[in-house]
Amino acid sequence: SAVISQKPSRDICQRGTSLTIQCQVDSQVTMMFWYRQQPGQSLTLIATANQGSEATYESGFVIDKFPISRPNLTFSTLTVSNMSPEDSSIYLCSVGPKGAGVGNIQYFGAGTRLSVL
Amino acid sequence: DAKTTQPPSMDCAEGRAANLPCNHSTISGNEYVYWYRQIHSQGPQYIIHGLKNNETNEMASLIITEDRKSSTLILPHATLRDTAVYYCIGLSWGKLQFGAGTQVVVTP
Repeated sequence: SAVISQKPSRDICQRGTSLTIQCQVDSQVTMMFWYRQQPGQSLTLIATANQGSEATYESGFVIDKFPISRPNLTFSTLTVSNMSPEDSSIYLCSVGPKGAGVGNIQYFGAGTRLSVL
Repeated sequence: DAKTTQPPSMDCAEGRAANLPCNHSTISGNEYVYWYRQIHSQGPQYIIHGLKNNETNEMASLIITEDRKSSTLILPHATLRDTAVYYCIGLSWGKLQFGAGTQVVVTP
């Protein structure tokens, strides 16, 4: 398994500002993902964070709004830019230590609870 | 994509077995079925996964039908701490695509 730390655990932000969320893993992992969970909803994949290259975004998510960095195999950041109240959600980091192959397990951080006023 | 269908909610008595069904009729031959759960205010927790054989670990058992169109997660002795949303997920192109899940409430 993998131990995942997310910072901050929660934050309250003003609209129009940006927040950067950090995800730190205790070991090198192949795959890192970012998810959003809106209030009362299930998880939606935002993007795959690729080490050394641009992130791969899912339909409906764009780099300008959710820039992602992944400088090495243990760390990634997600920025929520120009926030509005609709961005109030839980943002979760997930890692796949053994890659994207079938049968591999992904592990999740505790999430960052963001409220935008 | 391996789309899954689960009942929105179910109740279970403490100490009894909880049987959670999942339909995944569009799953392809090499797509695993994963089960996760999310206890309130926490990140999803991995439970178990399987391809076509039944699987068992310290948390649960997974029964997959021979045609792989459905599966059942079995919590053998439910406790109050098992109250959570349970997700049955097909792994598609290395990505977990979450559905709505089943809200399981374990009652004393």
